[in-house]
Amino acid sequence: EIVLTQSPATLSLSPGERATLSCRASQSVSSSLAWYQQKPGQAPRLLIYDASNRATGIPARFSGSGSGTDFTLTISGLEPEDFAVYYCQQRSNWSFGQGTKVEIK
Amino acid sequence: EVQLVESGGDLVQPGGSLRLSCAASGFTFNIYTMSWVRQAPGKGLEWVSYIGSSSGDVSYADSLKGRLTISRDNARNSVYLQMNSLRPDDTAVYYCARELGGYFFDIWGQGTLVTVSS
Repeated sequence: EIVLTQSPATLSLSPGERATLSCRASQSVSSSLAWYQQKPGQAPRLLIYDASNRATGIPARFSGSGSGTDFTLTISGLEPEDFAVYYCQQRSNWSFGQGTKVEIK
Repeated sequence: EVQLVESGGDLVQPGGSLRLSCAASGFTFNIYTMSWVRQAPGKGLEWVSYIGSSSGDVSYADSLKGRLTISRDNARNSVYLQMNSLRPDDTAVYYCARELGGYFFDIWGQGTLVTVSS
C-alpha cells in the first residue's frame, strides 16, 4: 500500500508570499498525483492532476511538479482566498495525504 | 451546470444501516466512474469506494470491505452507497465524486453527514 506524506503540516505565510507544499510517496506513483484545495465547510476542489496539469479554471499561480516519489505544489503569490487545507492524492489505491494547512501569518 | 447532490445522511445507532444517494446532473453520467470519499470531523480525506460506468467494476477500501455495497442507476443518473453494521468511527461527511484519469476527482458534491451514535 502506497502512503503519501505531506509536509509541513502547517504553513504560516502572509498574502503575496510564495507557498511550497511537499508530498512524498512511499513508492513511485509515476506522475499519477493530484492536488486538492479544501476550505472549511466546503468540498475539496481539484487543482492539479497528473502532477503538473492545472484543472479547468485554476489560476496560473498554482503549479505542480515532480514525479516518482517527490511532488511539490507551489502557489506563487498567495491571495486571501488561498488560505485553506491542501491534499495530495495518488492513483494506486486512491489514497490521500494527511493535508497541509496554509494559514495567515 | 455540472452538479452532484448527495442525500441520505442521518443519525444512526451503532450496528445500523444507511443508504446514501448521489444525483448527478449536467453531464453524461453513464460514461463516468463514480466514487465515494469520506471525511471524519476534523480529519483528512479517505477514499471509500468506486463503481465503473456500467456497474461491472467496483472496489472498496480494505477497511470497509464487507460492510459496503456501491451501486448505480444510469437511467436515474444516480449512484448509491449502502452501509451496514455502522460503527462510531464511520461518522463522517460522505462525498460523491466524479472520477477522471483513473484516479482523480474533478467534480464533488457538497457532502452528506453520517453520524453513528447511541
